[in-house]
Amino acid sequence: GENVEQHPSTLSVQEGDSAVIKCTYSDSASNYFPWYKQELGKGPQLIIDIRSNVGEKKDQRIAVTLNKTAKHFSLHITETQPEDSAVYFCAARGRGGGFKTIFGAGTRLFVKA
Amino acid sequence: EAGVTQFPSHSVIEKGQTVTLRCDPISGHDNLYWYRRVMGKEIKFLLHFVKESKQDESGMPNNRFLAERTGGTYSTLKVQPAELEDSGVYFCASSQTVGNNSPLHFGNGTRLTVT
Repeated sequence: GENVEQHPSTLSVQEGDSAVIKCTYSDSASNYFPWYKQELGKGPQLIIDIRSNVGEKKDQRIAVTLNKTAKHFSLHITETQPEDSAVYFCAARGRGGGFKTIFGAGTRLFVKA
Repeated sequence: EAGVTQFPSHSVIEKGQTVTLRCDPISGHDNLYWYRRVMGKEIKFLLHFVKESKQDESGMPNNRFLAERTGGTYSTLKVQPAELEDSGVYFCASSQTVGNNSPLHFGNGTRLTVT
């Protein structure tokens, strides 16, 4: 079945710097890659997603890139702000996995003011 | 539009006891999922309902876990008898369809502690 690896597990950056979180997946049939942000006491919320027919997608300060050949995808947050501090999860989904969404272990991002 | 709601938000029980978690999906969402996160690890899939039918229960750990969705609306997840390793945060999510144009909407989770 699908397996998603996520790195790093913890990331600390200074306010205004960029943050990058990287994920790899194992199932080449996966074709949808969402990213979720989980704030304290809340459930994960979708912040951006990318489909396999696209290599990059941007939404204001966040961007995702996908390399299907290498089975890598990444989240980039620019000009980080304290409110970006949260746990971020990457995930993969596709027909091969019965459309189950498979998650990485999460990255705890700290943005220091 | 009301989001996915879960009850209770926290539950502390002793080993051997029974606990029932409840999830109310977004109205009109036929697909309902249960996930669990054990501290520091991935959000792990447990099972998937389409309306009242179990579409995929491959992630259920063992027969101490029983999920139901009678009538295709809210769902319950019962753990009986609870063991220490069942501790974690149980998330429920719903989606309109199973296709890739239908993201998961999560509830705030139930934090279960088994002592």
